[in-house]
Amino acid sequence: DGGITQSPKYLFRKEGQNVTLSCEQNLNHDAMYWYRQDPGQGLRLIYYSQIVNDFQKGDIAEGYSVSREKKESFPLTVTSAQKNPTAFYLCASSMFGGLTEAFFGQGTRLTVV
Amino acid sequence: AQTVTQSQPEMSVQEAETVTLSCTYDTSESDYYLFWYKQPPSRQMILVIRQEAYKQQNATENRFSVNFQKAAKSFSLKISDSQLGDAAMYFCACDMNYGGSQGNLIFGKGTKLSVKP
Repeated sequence: DGGITQSPKYLFRKEGQNVTLSCEQNLNHDAMYWYRQDPGQGLRLIYYSQIVNDFQKGDIAEGYSVSREKKESFPLTVTSAQKNPTAFYLCASSMFGGLTEAFFGQGTRLTVV
Repeated sequence: AQTVTQSQPEMSVQEAETVTLSCTYDTSESDYYLFWYKQPPSRQMILVIRQEAYKQQNATENRFSVNFQKAAKSFSLKISDSQLGDAAMYFCACDMNYGGSQGNLIFGKGTKLSVKP
């Protein structure tokens, strides 16, 4: 079945460490997105990519990095520069750069310990 | 700045009754897409309904329908015959860059809907 897979579901990180969240899709979608969700804040865009080897910063990109080496994959690295990384992270993809609906993964809960 | 506002942090409805969730948005674009997403306790985001701004007819999907008022920049969601499984967070979202180069969604902060048996 087609869909978006995020892994792991839960992730624990020590302060000062970088960590990478995985996002893979087999929907043949061009565009992929990373959102962060905090309680009472809704979803906020971190990074997005509309084609391979190209990506743009969203509203809250500081302390994060991404790559888009393959159409199917859009990993997100949470660096030690991110001051408050504990959050729920959602990956999404869509056709035609977002002009149609976005399909979401099941999310990764990152906790800094 | 382009924004989406959901003014009701929480709503409650009796099973089998109707409830309306409010959403307003602000954009200078003339064409865009609007969406309602549902997020149950599993936290999986599920598309409920979508509306293209250039279409005047309100979208419907079974028990879900919208009241789209373009001039007022309002996009409310009506849930008829509410069921226990409708209990979730509901997010209004807008793709304000139709035809442009960004194509990302701007979300409201959500409305938590409870359904009473």
